[in-house]
Amino acid sequence: GESVGLHLPTLSVQEGDNSIINCAYSNSASDYFIWYKQESGKGPQFIIDIRSNMDKRQGQRVTVLLNKTVKHLSLQIAATQPGDSAVYFCAENRAGGFKTIFGAGTRLFVKA
Amino acid sequence: NAGVTQTPKFQVLKTGQSMTLQCAQDMNHNSMYWYRQDPGMGLRLIYYSASEGTTDKGEVPNGYNVSRLNKREFSLRLESAAPSQTSVYFCASSGLAGGYYEQYFGPGTRLTVT
Repeated sequence: GESVGLHLPTLSVQEGDNSIINCAYSNSASDYFIWYKQESGKGPQFIIDIRSNMDKRQGQRVTVLLNKTVKHLSLQIAATQPGDSAVYFCAENRAGGFKTIFGAGTRLFVKA
Repeated sequence: NAGVTQTPKFQVLKTGQSMTLQCAQDMNHNSMYWYRQDPGMGLRLIYYSASEGTTDKGEVPNGYNVSRLNKREFSLRLESAAPSQTSVYFCASSGLAGGYYEQYFGPGTRLTVT
């Protein structure tokens, strides 16, 4: 089986409930933040991003909130589905920056 | 449009053996990256190439070398594999979109060194 993420923080939610995954970022100079989803056996996949001039951004069933004061990022998934089960990573970067810094990830389990 | 492709998908090496991981992208991106991912940890940058002809060290470059063969291809070489290099390796590419670099990842290479 997939060995990545064995010791990650875990969030378990009931199908249909909303999920909130939190992330603290480290670099005050970062001004671009991304959430990635990684399913078992696959590479990370872009979900949604937000720039530092925004506090909130919405996509399809997902919302990202940014609190620059406390350097905190969250991903909200509405009406969580079994297909949302994965490891979710937050990442930070800055304008023109080649290097993206990834957090350790959170594993989301969706119970049917 | 295949995105980012990696070969091989799986590999088992003995300590001291060498191998090259291949990566190619068809999105005309300038920048390419190699990461490793270990259990309980996020992605750690090994090397990156901001543009064709340039390569730079990332967070964990020791024991690895890279070659940016052309704009499409970026390879990672392990000259003398060690058990500590057992990991999942991801290649990524990125293009500039609105001043920021969005990264796209390949499916990964699962490497075991015994």
